[in-house]
Amino acid sequence: GQQVMQIPQYQHVQEGEDFTTYCNSSTTLSNIQWYKQRPGGHPVFLIQLVKSGEVKKQKRLTFQFGEAKKNSSLHITATQTTDVGTYFCAGRDIQGAQKLVFGQGTRLTINP
Amino acid sequence: KAGVTQTPRYLIKTRGQQVTLSCSPISGHRSVSWYQQTPGQGLQFLFEYFSETQRNKGNFPGRFSGRQFSNSRSEMNVSTLELGDSALYLCASSFMVEETQYFGPGTRLLVL
Repeated sequence: GQQVMQIPQYQHVQEGEDFTTYCNSSTTLSNIQWYKQRPGGHPVFLIQLVKSGEVKKQKRLTFQFGEAKKNSSLHITATQTTDVGTYFCAGRDIQGAQKLVFGQGTRLTINP
Repeated sequence: KAGVTQTPRYLIKTRGQQVTLSCSPISGHRSVSWYQQTPGQGLQFLFEYFSETQRNKGNFPGRFSGRQFSNSRSEMNVSTLELGDSALYLCASSFMVEETQYFGPGTRLLVL
């Protein structure tokens, strides 16, 4: 079945450093979604990418969807303590009626 | 609009018992999905419902079941609880199946 792999599993950075998490699917995706889960909280939707090669920015966050629609990345510039949490990617196989499969998540911790 | 609500928020059960968890989606949302979250396994897909029909089911044993009512509210049931069922159970709703999912706060189940 479809698998979504996310790396790294953990990332610890100094405040102000950049951070990137990568997401790879075993199958072509119809779209990719990114979620953030703060410690003790629930996943909160960040963004959805639909088009091949799409790039979207939200302030210090940059999201990319690969040309083959099988991989994606989230890059945070100049991390702040408010960025702490686990970032999940999630995607559905481009073949219709497929379930949303989440990556294992990247847990980001920041040293102030 | 009110967000996704889940009841109860916390639950302690013993092995062999059964449990029913409830999810009320955002008003107007017709799709509800359930996930199990554990530290080691991340977010694992359980079910997806749309207009009272189960659209997808994850790789969980038959002890896990669910349903959706005509008002889009959903319940999931776990029978013959095992220690390994201890987890955070998250419900997410969306207007249509492949759109943004909005997560509830979850029900934290502890099986002793």
